[in-house]
Amino acid sequence: IAGITQAPTSQILAAGRRMTLRCTQDMRHNAMYWYRQDLGLGLRLIHYSNTAGTTGKGEVPDGYSVSRANTDDFPLTLASAVPSQTSVYFCASSVSWDSFYGYTFGSGTRLTVV
Amino acid sequence: DAKTTQPNSMESNEEEPVHLPCNHSTISGTDYIHWYRQLPSQGPEYVIHGLTSNVNNRMASLAIAEDRKSSTLILHRATLRDAAVYYCILRDSGNTGKLIFGQGTTLQVKP
Repeated sequence: IAGITQAPTSQILAAGRRMTLRCTQDMRHNAMYWYRQDLGLGLRLIHYSNTAGTTGKGEVPDGYSVSRANTDDFPLTLASAVPSQTSVYFCASSVSWDSFYGYTFGSGTRLTVV
Repeated sequence: DAKTTQPNSMESNEEEPVHLPCNHSTISGTDYIHWYRQLPSQGPEYVIHGLTSNVNNRMASLAIAEDRKSSTLILHRATLRDAAVYYCILRDSGNTGKLIFGQGTTLQVKP
């Protein structure tokens, strides 16, 4: 079934550790996005990529980095995790950055930093 | 990004139509109106989008006011599985097209 795969589904991480959340899509979508969702704050955009080889910062990029080496993969890295990064992380993709197209979201990664 | 205003919550009875309103008085001519929903413990799901004309798909209908300052998502027959948070989002075709989520409307469907 075509879609977005996120891994892991959940993780408990010690503060200060490095962690990469994986996101892979098989729809050949050009644009990809990372969001975090926190109770009371809703979904906030962390980073995005309009096409392979390019990335941009969203609303809350601090403490996170991304890369887009190819069309299918868009990993999100926490270089040194802090408790405030405890959240549910969603990856999404779209045919292109153009507003005409809708997004497809993954099932999320629940991350707890202790 | 232009803002949208939605009621915090709404209730509906099962198998009745649901009209979810969204105000976007500062909408620009290039903004598309997108609707997403998020079921409990799941990622957001695309529902429908439009620019000026009313739109229909298998999930819902989108009615857009003539002046485009408001829109309504219509679920023709609500089911218990439609209980979710519904987000109305303006997506500007002039920028990178990022989706910026607001707080949405929590829809409760009663049997």
